[in-house]
Amino acid sequence: AQSVTQLDSQVPVFEEAPVELRCNYSSSVSVYLFWYVQYPNQGLQLLLKYLSGSTLVKGINGFEAEFNKSQTSFHLRKPSVHISDTAEYFCAVRALGNEKLTFGTGTRLTIIP
Amino acid sequence: NAGVTQTPKFRILKIGQSMTLQCTQDMNHNYMYWYRQDPGMGLKLIYYSVGAGITDKGEVPNGYNVSRSTTEDFPLRLELAAPSQTSVYFCASSTQEGYTFGSGTRLTVV
Repeated sequence: AQSVTQLDSQVPVFEEAPVELRCNYSSSVSVYLFWYVQYPNQGLQLLLKYLSGSTLVKGINGFEAEFNKSQTSFHLRKPSVHISDTAEYFCAVRALGNEKLTFGTGTRLTIIP
Repeated sequence: NAGVTQTPKFRILKIGQSMTLQCTQDMNHNYMYWYRQDPGMGLKLIYYSVGAGITDKGEVPNGYNVSRSTTEDFPLRLELAAPSQTSVYFCASSTQEGYTFGSGTRLTVV
């Protein structure tokens, strides 16, 4: 079975500052990793994913994440945040050959003007 | 494409009432899921389906039932609503590339 840990439940950041949202996973088999974003009162949408290839993955809205197998991490980063980035961010993992995702508990990103 | 469509968007139920949350996808995905989302708790899997006629329990199935008679539809049934079922419910479908979520149903049981 897989599990995901998002250590920070809330992250406040000043506008135009950089941000890193942390995600660590646990699995006995190879995995695929995802970040989803949920804007207020909306469903979740895919931000980026790592399936194979380059460990640095770029997503929508200027976000990127790096898959680090030795540290079992998939941290999400953005060099300069905007007010519109205020949302909840979910890290998720699935095992190869299994479509079912396991989600973390989410990190609420709040941008301070 | 509409993607994943959930109805209704909002509903208030009285304790003991029943209702069905509807979910339809037009992407011909085999896998479909129902999650509930409670504040600070992330997403909890209620039921999922790997294809028409096949369903399986997730982490929190008690108090819910599902059916999957077609590839497109995956309704979630609450038989005897309880206050603990107050939540936001999301339906999703998936491929190997990831999930597509519906916009959610906010359910309050009073």
